[in-house]
Amino acid sequence: RKEVEQDPGPFNVPEGATVAFNCTYSNSASQSFFWYRQDCRKEPKLLMSVYSSGNEDGRFTAQLNRASQYISLLIRDSKLSDSATYLCVVNLLGESGGSYIPTFGRGTSLIVHP
Amino acid sequence: DGGITQSPKYLFRKEGQNVTLSCEQNLNHDAMYWYRQDPGQGLRLIYYSQIVNDFQKGDIAEGYSVSREKKESFPLTVTSAQKNPTAFYLCASSIQGASSVQYFGPGTRLTVT
Repeated sequence: RKEVEQDPGPFNVPEGATVAFNCTYSNSASQSFFWYRQDCRKEPKLLMSVYSSGNEDGRFTAQLNRASQYISLLIRDSKLSDSATYLCVVNLLGESGGSYIPTFGRGTSLIVHP
Repeated sequence: DGGITQSPKYLFRKEGQNVTLSCEQNLNHDAMYWYRQDPGQGLRLIYYSQIVNDFQKGDIAEGYSVSREKKESFPLTVTSAQKNPTAFYLCASSIQGASSVQYFGPGTRLTVT
């Protein structure tokens, strides 16, 4: 079983819609969680960290559910410019036990159309 | 300007040749990483280094080698033993710790024919 799983999509939504993505992780010892955005043929860029209490940044809301081992990203009032791939990242303790290694999901593709 | 640079942006090589991809950071980060991304796929970890002169294999290290002689630099060599080297290669760096955020370079797109 993959350690971090995402629905690859694509999610096809009209402008102004609300869309939500989930990401599940298998290691209950996971410490930190992030959402990155990746545009086509570009590098990933941090969108937001995900805190236990949930956090909001404008139209974006991230939530963490430790009991069910998933994180979510909600985008309200979608814009054309939100079209991208959204990557879920979980920091897992490495096999040597000495450091935390970021583990990426394969990403969820979002297409916002007029 | 602080950041991570990768060069070149595009690289073309003939099969059987070794090629070295450059990654430099001036963020004073201890940890550096190399990922490979294939079309429609997520990022797969090749190698990572938490400190100078030390590095560990990631999930797909076969056919690759790295060095970490300086904190700022973490070059990746794609050897002729790598069976499918054509891919998008991304370098990242971070501070150490459970909550560390990674920052990525712009990537190198390698094509081997």
